[in-house]
Amino acid sequence: SAVISQKPSRDICQRGTSLTIQCQVDSQVTMMFWYRQQPGQSLTLIATANQGSEATYESGFVIDKFPISRPNLTFSTLTVSNMSPEDSSIYLCSVDGLAGPTDTQYFGPGTRLTVL
Amino acid sequence: AQKVTQAQTEISVVEKEDVTLDCVYETRDTTYYLFWYKQPPSGELVFLIRRNSFDEQNEISGRYSWNFQKSTSSFNFTITASQVVDSAVYFCALSEETSGTYKYIFGTGTRLKVLA
Repeated sequence: SAVISQKPSRDICQRGTSLTIQCQVDSQVTMMFWYRQQPGQSLTLIATANQGSEATYESGFVIDKFPISRPNLTFSTLTVSNMSPEDSSIYLCSVDGLAGPTDTQYFGPGTRLTVL
Repeated sequence: AQKVTQAQTEISVVEKEDVTLDCVYETRDTTYYLFWYKQPPSGELVFLIRRNSFDEQNEISGRYSWNFQKSTSSFNFTITASQVVDSAVYFCALSEETSGTYKYIFGTGTRLKVLA
């Protein structure tokens, strides 16, 4: 399985500011995924990031609020813009296993964000 | 529409007891994949098992076992002789092709507390 790291691991931010979360994978992957997990809740897919093209956002998530970059096959960033307390969540990135989309998704350690 | 139901919000057991976590899914596809993940307090999602829809064999891995029954659309997870380290939130997930990509649908999770 891929080894995935995320930075920062946690942060406390003020309302109205933005935070960029980095996701680094130790191997080249086609698709990277960003999820949000609100306190005590399940995981919700924010968007799918394909290298060299615009990210595909799920219903309820927009690019202005969650811009994503995917500059190469091992790296992606998610920015949480103009934050409010409702954005307090764990943000996780994930990638498909070696077999591709039908394989298991492996997750990074997550970024725990608190917005005051 | 795809859906994953984990009806048990929280379960508490005493160490060494056996415990079963239930997962019921809904899908219209004949090809799909089912997963269990463990999320300890640290927040990281740990992959436990993957099953495809054509493989109904039950699986045992140490103290963990999984019972996949297509007839009842269930994929239940049993921990035998539970230990305090098993305390975590456990998520069941379904993956199937949607518009050319595979997306995960997560259940709401079951919080397992194993008491010493």
